[in-house]
Amino acid sequence: LAKTTQPISMDSYEGQEVNITCSHNNIATNDYITWYQQFPSQGPRFIIQGYKTKVTNEVASLFIPADRKSSTLSLPRVSLSDTAVYYCLVDYTFFGGTYKYIFGTGTRLKVLA
Amino acid sequence: KAGVTQTPRYLIKTRGQQVTLSCSPISGHRSVSWYQQTPGQGLQFLFEYFSETQRNKGNFPGRFSGRQFSNSRSEMNVSTLELGDSALYLCASSFEGAQTGELFFGEGSRLTVL
Repeated sequence: LAKTTQPISMDSYEGQEVNITCSHNNIATNDYITWYQQFPSQGPRFIIQGYKTKVTNEVASLFIPADRKSSTLSLPRVSLSDTAVYYCLVDYTFFGGTYKYIFGTGTRLKVLA
Repeated sequence: KAGVTQTPRYLIKTRGQQVTLSCSPISGHRSVSWYQQTPGQGLQFLFEYFSETQRNKGNFPGRFSGRQFSNSRSEMNVSTLELGDSALYLCASSFEGAQTGELFFGEGSRLTVL
């Protein structure tokens, strides 16, 4: 059974680095992991995507260990505007080649001044 | 470049009715996927369409259906509405699909079933 779990909430202070972990079982070799940010009354917004090792862009890094049973979104030096809910999304490949998109449970990040 | 547009933004229906939601993807995007978001179940994948064909489907009953037109616009329909169908329905578009690229989400259609 494909399942994707995250911590429910996290608090951090401005300027700190925040790491949010997503646990995903039964992930296939080439299944992608994507992270999204969602503000109230808005649709999720893309942050970063990868499927192995480490990916970095201008706003975040994504770490995926060799066993690929988890992934970690790293936000460097967060600000108050980073207060939002963060979701990981895994596209699980099932037998027969079909795949389904499974969102994580979401992590509510609160950044404090 | 215009974003993903969903209509209507808000609607109220009663049990037993049906509803149709519309999604206009970003120009040039061929994939449209739909999601249901509720406080209890979070974000759940409904289905994905690519070039007018349903490519993937989540674990929802047959009351939930969709289609995609030749211009990539998509509609989803929910028949025989139940109270539990109250949710934010999100549409997302991408050039190829979530598996290989980022999804661009609309702001959603908030459905309330009374």
